[in-house]
Amino acid sequence: DAKTTQPNSMESNEEEPVHLPCNHSTISGTDYIHWYRQLPSQGPEYVIHGLTSNVNNRMASLAIAEDRKSSTLILHRATLRDAAVYYCIHYGQNFVFGPGTRLSVLP
Amino acid sequence: NAGVTQTPKFQVLKTGQSMTLQCAQDMNHNSMYWYRQDPGMGLRLIYYSASEGTTDKGEVPNGYNVSRLNKREFSLRLESAAPSQTSVYFCASSEMSGPRHPYNEQFFGPGTRLTVL
Repeated sequence: DAKTTQPNSMESNEEEPVHLPCNHSTISGTDYIHWYRQLPSQGPEYVIHGLTSNVNNRMASLAIAEDRKSSTLILHRATLRDAAVYYCIHYGQNFVFGPGTRLSVLP
Repeated sequence: NAGVTQTPKFQVLKTGQSMTLQCAQDMNHNSMYWYRQDPGMGLRLIYYSASEGTTDKGEVPNGYNVSRLNKREFSLRLESAAPSQTSVYFCASSEMSGPRHPYNEQFFGPGTRLTVL
């Protein structure tokens, strides 16, 4: 099964950049890398996705390693509203959300 | 647009009781999904429907049945609830067909918190 590994938790100060890492060593050549986040007591929400190139949108940037076995979600200026669990996923045999990284943002 | 809606928001069942969780989306999406999330865990796929008229098992389908009633609605049924099914259940939908489609941005509902005593 497709599997990703992420740190259990990370902490950031408000208005500082945050780099959330993800390892996906079992990724195949055609699997996209997706990031979702889950705010407290809500369903997950889509953040960003990419295949090989770095990607930017209004929420975040995604940096993908050249060998595609790891990626980093970048929040350029963390706000208190960014405190959430962040999930990194790629599509393999099953679509699996792992435990994710719990991001705390300190004022 | 309401997006993805789920009913009920909360439910308490006794072991052996049955119930159906309802999900509807108003985005004209092709695919719909049911997940469960246990405390401190990620989400696990129970069943999905890649398109109207089709359903497929996910990672943890045992103890559940689903019905894709039409393009808008996808229900999840517990025929004989067990304490191990205590969880938060999320419904999701996506425009593209199937969970492995590369552009598959999924939109999630607010969840149903189910407790089985």
